[in-house]
Amino acid sequence: QSLLTQPPSVSGAPGQRVTISCTGSSSNFGAGFEVHWYQQLPGTAPKLLIFDTNSRPSGVPDRFSGSKSGTSASLAITGLQAEDEADYYCQSYDSSLNGYVFGAGTKVTVL
Amino acid sequence: EVHLLEAGGGLVQAGGSLRLSCVTSGFTFGRNGMSWVRQPPGGGLEWVSSISNIGDKTYYADSVKGRFTVSRDNSKSTLYLQMDSLKGEDTALYYCAREPTVRWENWFDPWGQGTMVSVSS
Repeated sequence: QSLLTQPPSVSGAPGQRVTISCTGSSSNFGAGFEVHWYQQLPGTAPKLLIFDTNSRPSGVPDRFSGSKSGTSASLAITGLQAEDEADYYCQSYDSSLNGYVFGAGTKVTVL
Repeated sequence: EVHLLEAGGGLVQAGGSLRLSCVTSGFTFGRNGMSWVRQPPGGGLEWVSSISNIGDKTYYADSVKGRFTVSRDNSKSTLYLQMDSLKGEDTALYYCAREPTVRWENWFDPWGQGTMVSVSS
């Protein structure tokens, strides 16, 4: 069981806004460690989507945004597009493990 | 352009060993920490191991501690993962990934395409 909890799936119609939650604890988000997000399209390697809670690498559309408060974080996708159908993972550092942790992943389906 | 290319995966019997490599290009390898992350078939991502930019510090997930050894050769811009005493639960696609900053806790960018390790019991 992952130390970061994500919903298994979320779905939305094209153009809608969806959010993916990532719930942590006092040993990761609550200790001040940042959250990062990855997108994994089918059959491909993960790709960095958001780093340090809400920063986007060059080339990532501003439809993707992140936030964090206390021991919870979230990723929002606005103006959902068919190409956004993928698995999304949150990641942080955990002081109780002395290592990195990933959420179990959330599958986004575009209806 | 930064490029990471893993190799060395394959089918091995439980209790056996494999050595993975990750050849990199497009950046000054010795300036970045590096990590291995794995993904079992149909499963999620699991951090495996990290190594500092000069190789003086190594870190492991509890699930592989004592069995896996991470190392690097900065003269060859290559990262390694020696995997011994392999178990069925080690079956996964193994990715190498760069840690982009000098911070001791980081994100991963970019990732290689992965190399598959299958352990038969």
